[in-house]
Amino acid sequence: KNEVEQSPQNLTAQEGEFITINCSYSVGISALHWLQQHPGGGIVSLFMLSSGKKKHGRLIATINIQEKHSSLHITASHPRDSAVYICAVGGSEKLVFGKGTKLTVNP
Amino acid sequence: NAGVTQTPKFQVLKTGQSMTLQCAQDMNHEYMSWYRQDPGMGLRLIHYSVGAGITDQGEVPNGYNVSRSTTEDFPLRLLSAAPSQTSVYFCASSWSGPRDEQYFGPGTRLTVT
Repeated sequence: KNEVEQSPQNLTAQEGEFITINCSYSVGISALHWLQQHPGGGIVSLFMLSSGKKKHGRLIATINIQEKHSSLHITASHPRDSAVYICAVGGSEKLVFGKGTKLTVNP
Repeated sequence: NAGVTQTPKFQVLKTGQSMTLQCAQDMNHEYMSWYRQDPGMGLRLIHYSVGAGITDQGEVPNGYNVSRSTTEDFPLRLLSAAPSQTSVYFCASSWSGPRDEQYFGPGTRLTVT
């Protein structure tokens, strides 16, 4: 069983829709990261959280430590949000990554 | 600040050749790490370092060596390239480890024929 599971694997939405990507993990963590990777591009950190909720613009990330679950929400999605979104959980010295969720937002 | 830089961007090797992927950061970060990204596999940790002179193995270390003689540089050496090492390689850094924001380099696409 993978330590980090993301769902869905692929997601197609229409511009303006509300998007939710989920991440479940099975190990104790010190922090959870949400990352974004555009096609052919590098990897950018969106959020790092260890409790509660964070918001940057149209992106919101939440984490429930007791349930070992995090969600990434995108409000009013836009075609430029099309990317792979990656969840990673951090222990004391290592990060473990989910396989990513490929999001396509159509105009 | 340049952030995290990686060279080369692309490389083609023949089986059995050796090479070094370079990674440097100018943010005075203690923690540096190397990952490989393969289709359907997600990012997997190869080696990491928590400071100059200290390195440790990750999930997939076989066939790779690292050293950390300075805070800034963390090169990854392929000793004898194999087709199974065809992948995209990312270097990352952070202040002290997984509890901090991670900064990734642009990646190196390696093909071994």
